[in-house]
Amino acid sequence: SQKIEQNSEALNIQEGKTATLTCNYTNYSPAYLQWYRQDPGRGPVFLLLIRENEKEKRKERLKVTFDTTLKQSLFHITASQPADSATYLCALSRASGGSYIPTFGRGTSLIVHP
Amino acid sequence: DSGVTQTPKHLITATGQRVTLRCSPRSGDLSVYWYQQSLDQGLQFLIQYYNGEERAKGNILERFSAQQFPDLHSELNLSSLELGDSALYFCASSVLGQGGFGGELFFGEGSRLTVL
Repeated sequence: SQKIEQNSEALNIQEGKTATLTCNYTNYSPAYLQWYRQDPGRGPVFLLLIRENEKEKRKERLKVTFDTTLKQSLFHITASQPADSATYLCALSRASGGSYIPTFGRGTSLIVHP
Repeated sequence: DSGVTQTPKHLITATGQRVTLRCSPRSGDLSVYWYQQSLDQGLQFLIQYYNGEERAKGNILERFSAQQFPDLHSELNLSSLELGDSALYFCASSVLGQGGFGGELFFGEGSRLTVL
């Protein structure tokens, strides 16, 4: 069956360091992969999207890589700040009946310590 | 502010009851998605509507139903409620692009349902 795996353990890092979050998937061939940020009790907020034929995408302090051979995406936040503390969700989309429905991983909590 | 409005924000009800959750998508977005988020299941896709028509169905129970109206707002109806239906229910909208891919989803703040 299809599986999207994100580290369930919280990632604790010091301010200023680079945070790296992992999203692995099995039995899946996504056309698109997205990363979202979710704060407690709030709706997810879109951060970055990468297509299956792209290797890397950047936006300000954020970088996403997508390796369809390893079936893995890495999400990096450089120069991390305490305000970056949140849960980060990856979402994979593939065609299904003419629609692309994002399927979400369970997220990894990031805690940035001052 | 994502531009997606969900009401009510909180709802407490008893088992066996029926509730309706409402969602107004971002202006111009034709596609609406409903997701359920519980502690043990994460974000689970329920159903998608595009311009008034059902487009895709996920893990939606038969006790649940949804619709999208001509003004593009959507309602999710949950009936014969059980304790296990307690969760956060999110609505999201998107611009449905070429090939059916809507790009990024814009989520509302959710409706927190508690079934006692």
